[in-house]
Amino acid sequence: RKEVEQDPGPFNVPEGATVAFNCTYSNSASQSFFWYRQDCRKEPKLLMSVYSSGNEDGRFTAQLNRASQYISLLIRDSKLSDSATYLCVVRVNFGNEKLTFGTGTRLTIIP
Amino acid sequence: DAGVTQSPTHLIKTRGQHVTLRCSPISGHKSVSWYQQVLGQGPQFIFQYYEKEERGRGNFPDRFSARQFPNYSSELNVNALLLGDSALYLCASSLIPSGRPYEQYFGPGTRLTVT
Repeated sequence: RKEVEQDPGPFNVPEGATVAFNCTYSNSASQSFFWYRQDCRKEPKLLMSVYSSGNEDGRFTAQLNRASQYISLLIRDSKLSDSATYLCVVRVNFGNEKLTFGTGTRLTIIP
Repeated sequence: DAGVTQSPTHLIKTRGQHVTLRCSPISGHKSVSWYQQVLGQGPQFIFQYYEKEERGRGNFPDRFSARQFPNYSSELNVNALLLGDSALYLCASSLIPSGRPYEQYFGPGTRLTVT
């Protein structure tokens, strides 16, 4: 079983729609959770950290369910510029900063 | 402020050669991590260095080595290159300790092609 699993997509969504991604992780000792976005042939960019209480940043909402070991990302009122690959990322504190990435979910917003 | 910088941007090598990749972290960041990303996959952790000491190592062969310098910049070295080493090599820096939980910021990467 992969440490972090995501639906690879692709998700093709009309502009203005709401889209949700889910991600599961296998290590219950995971302590930190993130969503990164990655544009084609570019580096991953931190979109948001995910907190236990859930958090929102503009059109983006992230949720964490530790009991079920899954993380979600909701994008409301999607824009063309949201087209990218979204990477679910977890960190287990083994005394280092190793991040474990999912394979990513590819999102395309259609005009 | 300048972000994480990496050099070179692109590199083409032949099998068996050696390569050195370089990274400069964000000013004030003391931790540098290296990741390998092959096409269609998420980045895979190779090394982390903090205050010039290795803090973590991923599941990569001994052909991969790294070091961190007193100015917190870092080098990743790969010996005896294989075709499978072709990938985007990413460097990330973070501020320890941080008010945000271990957020890492990535450089633009070095795209290595082994022929």
